[in-house]
Amino acid sequence: EVVMTQSPATLSVSPGERATLSCRASPGVSTFLAWYQQKPGQSPRLLIHSASTRATGIPPRFSGSGSGAEFTLTISSLQSEDFGVYYCQQYNHWPLKFGQGTKVEIK
Amino acid sequence: EVKLSESGGGLVQPGDSLRLSCVASGFTFPDFSMSWVRQAPGRGLEWISVISGSALSTSYADAMKGRFTISRDNFQSTLYLQIDSLRVEDTAVYYCAKHIYAGSEALEYWGLGTLVTVSS
Repeated sequence: EVVMTQSPATLSVSPGERATLSCRASPGVSTFLAWYQQKPGQSPRLLIHSASTRATGIPPRFSGSGSGAEFTLTISSLQSEDFGVYYCQQYNHWPLKFGQGTKVEIK
Repeated sequence: EVKLSESGGGLVQPGDSLRLSCVASGFTFPDFSMSWVRQAPGRGLEWISVISGSALSTSYADAMKGRFTISRDNFQSTLYLQIDSLRVEDTAVYYCAKHIYAGSEALEYWGLGTLVTVSS
C-alpha cells in the first residue's frame, strides 16, 4: 500500500506570495498523481492530474511538478480565495490513497 | 453541466445497514468509472471503492472489504454504496466522484456529499 505524506501540515502565506506544497509517495507513483483543493463546507475540487496537467477551468497560477516519489504544487501568487486544505492523491497503485492534507492559511 | 447528487444518509444505529445513492447527469454515465470517498468530521479524505463503467470491475480499500458494496445502474445513471453492520467510526460525509477519463483514477467531479451519522 502506498503511503502519501504531505508537508507542511499548515502553511501561512500573504496574498501575492508564492505557496509551495509538497507530497511524497512511497513507493513511487510515476506521474499518476492528482491535487485537490477543499474549502470549508465544500466538496473537493480537482486542480491537477497526471502530476502537472491543470484540470478544466483551473487558473494558471496553480502548477504541479514532480514524478516518482516527490511532487510539488505551487500557487504562484496566492489569492484570498485560495485558502483551504490541499490534498494529493496517487492513482498508480490500488488502493487509491490521499495524503493527509496541507492547510493553507491567509496571513 | 455535470451534476452528482448523493442521498440516503442520516442518523442510524450501530449494526444497521444503509444504501447510499448518487444520481448523475450531464455526461454519458456508462462511459466512466465512479468512486466513493468519505470524510470523517474534521479529518481527511478516505477512498472507499471504485466501479468501472460497465460494472464488471470493482475495487475496495482494504479496510472497507466485506461491509461495503458498490454497484451501479447505468439505465438510471445511478451509483450505489451499500454499507452493512455500521460502526460509530463510519460516521462521515460520503461523496461520489466521477473519474476524469477512461483509465485514469483522478476524480474530476464530486457531489456535495451525504452525511452518515452512526450513534446509539
